[in-house]
Amino acid sequence: EAGVAQSPRYKIIEKRQSVAFWCNPISGHATLYWYQQILGQGPKLLIQFQNNGVVDDSQLPKDRFSAERLKGVDSTLKIQPAKLEDSAVYLCASSSRINQPQHFGDGTRLSIL
Amino acid sequence: AQTVTQSQPEMSVQEAETVTLSCTYDTSESDYYLFWYKQPPSRQMILVIRQEAYKQQNATENRFSVNFQKAAKSFSLKISDSQLGDAAMYFCAYRSSSYSGGGADGLTFGKGTHLIIQP
Repeated sequence: EAGVAQSPRYKIIEKRQSVAFWCNPISGHATLYWYQQILGQGPKLLIQFQNNGVVDDSQLPKDRFSAERLKGVDSTLKIQPAKLEDSAVYLCASSSRINQPQHFGDGTRLSIL
Repeated sequence: AQTVTQSQPEMSVQEAETVTLSCTYDTSESDYYLFWYKQPPSRQMILVIRQEAYKQQNATENRFSVNFQKAAKSFSLKISDSQLGDAAMYFCAYRSSSYSGGGADGLTFGKGTHLIIQP
């Protein structure tokens, strides 16, 4: 079974620019998560989708971050405008349904100059 | 809100020896799950072991086992017969049960422990 796919693997932008990350979950997985992992810390949940509906976005900085999961499959996470503190690895995970093990992708490393 | 604390930023062990990684957590919930994840330099989080809070028996997976102390809110990971491939960051994580969390089951992670294996 193919794993969670993320792209790009690396991204370097200047502050105040925009950036988008893409995630393709494991086929058939209804639940999708985006996590932010700042260097030296554990991942922090940004948003959770169940199919194409949002279950939890309480920790998403909504003034600059947005995410969508059209058609309940692929998802994109966008930052606009980026700040220096957004430098991190952005991890996507999926599970077959709520309460099942989460499978993680390799993440996108974002560097803000 | 739940919190997870890993007090050991780094641990070192000789190959073939046993090492224990510590984790404590804080919650007011009675039903939840605990996990240990491994993150090698490739960045992918790999599930090592999981424990349901309602189960008193400690989980084991081959060389990996946990010591779950619910009253003390402690969840340590023991790695036996350490191998070079075990070198990685190890994260302890907490997850509410879907029943108490209204469907929200995102993981809350600790800061991690960097495990070094000495050949």
